[in-house]
Amino acid sequence: ELKVEQNPLFLSMQEGKNYTIYCNYSTTSDRLYWYRQDPGKSLESLFVLLSNGAVKQEGRLMASLDTKARLSTLHITAAVHDLSATYFCAVDGLSGTYKYIFGTGTRLKVLA
Amino acid sequence: DTEVTQTPKHLVMGMTNKKSLKCEQHMGHRAMYWYKQKAKKPPELMFVYSYEKLSINESVPSRFSPECPNSSLLNLHLHALQPEDSALYLCASSLDREGTEAFFGQGTRLTVV
Repeated sequence: ELKVEQNPLFLSMQEGKNYTIYCNYSTTSDRLYWYRQDPGKSLESLFVLLSNGAVKQEGRLMASLDTKARLSTLHITAAVHDLSATYFCAVDGLSGTYKYIFGTGTRLKVLA
Repeated sequence: DTEVTQTPKHLVMGMTNKKSLKCEQHMGHRAMYWYKQKAKKPPELMFVYSYEKLSINESVPSRFSPECPNSSLLNLHLHALQPEDSALYLCASSLDREGTEAFFGQGTRLTVV
């Protein structure tokens, strides 16, 4: 069974600081996705990572994928209040099944 | 158009009621999904349709019945639900191809009384 774990589960940080969220998964996969969810809202796609060593950046967020370590990171640079949300990583299931299995989520709160 | 539209946005139903959730997309996606999300938890996969055929049922109780009438529509029929079924129900769609992300609708907030 595919398991996807994130840490930390909750992160409170000051504006302007840097931090990294980690996503570990339990099976071989080279397809990983990051989503953002605001309270009571749907999920917004942030990054699609499709190969070992893939790195994507958008604004203050940068995501990377190490398929050998089964690890993805979401790095936050100089956090701002608007980044407060819950961040989920998701991994494709076994090839051909197209099932997105979500990590436990990281609730990020950026304090002004 | 990268939109997945769900209706209704909110639904309150009794345990003896029958209701349906609807989902629509016009992106040409041939894979469609239902997820259930409880508060402060990740979305849990319920069903996957691929080319209008049910391809995955994650051992969901039979009181939830999915239907895919055509490539743009996905329904979730609800009958005899329990209060613990109260949750946010999310529909998503994706290209039926590896390495493409799923796009999510705004969800239906369901309360079972």
